[in-house]
This record gives sequence, C-alpha cells and structure tokens, in this order.
Amino acid sequence: EAQVTQNPRYLITVTGKKLTVTCSQNMNHEYMSWYRQDPGLGLRQIYYSMNVEVTDKGDVPEGYKVSRKEKRNFPLILESPSPNQTSLYFCASRVGGLAGGLVETQYFGPGTRLLVL
Amino acid sequence: AQRVTQPEKLLSVFKGAPVELKCNYSYSGSPELFWYVQYSRQRLQLLLRHISRESIKGFTADLNKGETSFHLKKPFAQEEDSAMYYCALSGCSGAGSYQLTFGKGTKLSVIP
Repeated sequence: EAQVTQNPRYLITVTGKKLTVTCSQNMNHEYMSWYRQDPGLGLRQIYYSMNVEVTDKGDVPEGYKVSRKEKRNFPLILESPSPNQTSLYFCASRVGGLAGGLVETQYFGPGTRLLVL
Repeated sequence: AQRVTQPEKLLSVFKGAPVELKCNYSYSGSPELFWYVQYSRQRLQLLLRHISRESIKGFTADLNKGETSFHLKKPFAQEEDSAMYYCALSGCSGAGSYQLTFGKGTKLSVIP
C-alpha cells in the first residue's frame, strides 16, 4: 500500500531537548516536504527536498533542520525545541518537481502532534 | 511570490443549502490549483484539482484566471461535508522546482 508514515505520532518534550520526527514514503517519490499546522495559520511549509541531498527552506524554517540521505526518508530535526514549536506536523511526498512537468498529487502522512513544555 | 488567500476562516451553512468556499490566488505564471480537505482527526487529502475538471463528492471548482479565483462549490451541503478545506497552488519556485502553497483554510460547518 502506497503511504507516508511518520513517527512518533504524539510527543511531549521539554525545552531544549533535541528530537527527531521521522518520515518515510514507499512510493519512490523525489519530492518530500514538512509542514506545520497551527490554528488560524493553516499549513505552512518548513522545508522541502527535491531529491536526495537536495533540501531547501520553506516559509518557516527557523529552529528546524532536515536531511535527505536516502530517497524514502526525510527526518525533521529540532535541535533545541521551544514552546512556540508546539504544533501538528505533516510530512508529504509527491512525484517530480522539475519545471515543465505535470504536478502530481501530494500525499500526506498522518501527522505528529508535538507539545514542547 | 505565490500566494493563496481564503478570506473566510469559518463558514456555517444549513444542510441542503448551497456552499461556496472562496479562494483567490496570486501567481505570475500558469498555476496548478487544488482543494484539500481534512476531516476531524484525519490526515489531509486531495479533494480535487483544476486540471482534472472533476466533481468529487458533489464539489466542483472552476479556475477563473481573470478574477484569479478557484472557488469550491456544492449545490446542497451535507453534514458529512463538515471539515477544514484548504486551497493550494503549485507554482515554479524559481529554482526549477514546484512549491505547493496553502491558504490558511476555511472551516465548514454544516448545521443539521
């Protein structure tokens, strides 16, 4: 079954304690991205990756890091989490991303709810 | 820069009434536009995209380039339509890649 998985689904942590949220897709998609969803602000893109070893900042990258060492995985790293990073996080993937190509559907993971105390 | 605006945070309608969720965009090129839906406690999922010209769950959306709009419509709302709806635009980010930009979302509440 084609899917995007995220772990953990729920996480409570304290300020300053490094954490990683994993994201994995089994569709051989080149393009992956991370979003955060906050009430009244909708979905905002944090980082995206066009392919292995190619990552770029989205709209709200501050306080986050990502890596793309393999095609299927795109972990989100919070080196020193702060309370303002309490949010619902979604990973997503889709085919392609090259100019001139047909844009395909973006598939979303189930979300990770993070609380930073 | 590309931008998507959904002017209504919350829209309440009675069951059986028509629904229109507004979406306006700003983009210099030829955009690809989508509507996504998120039901309570579920992941975001694609509802429809303008290039397919399809009707899903009774919803339709027409791209109006003159008005830069992509409003979502349904003639008769159902209770199960209650959800968050996001309009999204995919456009070239200038680095040879496409970036998906979301509006802030509209919460649709259908009153029985």
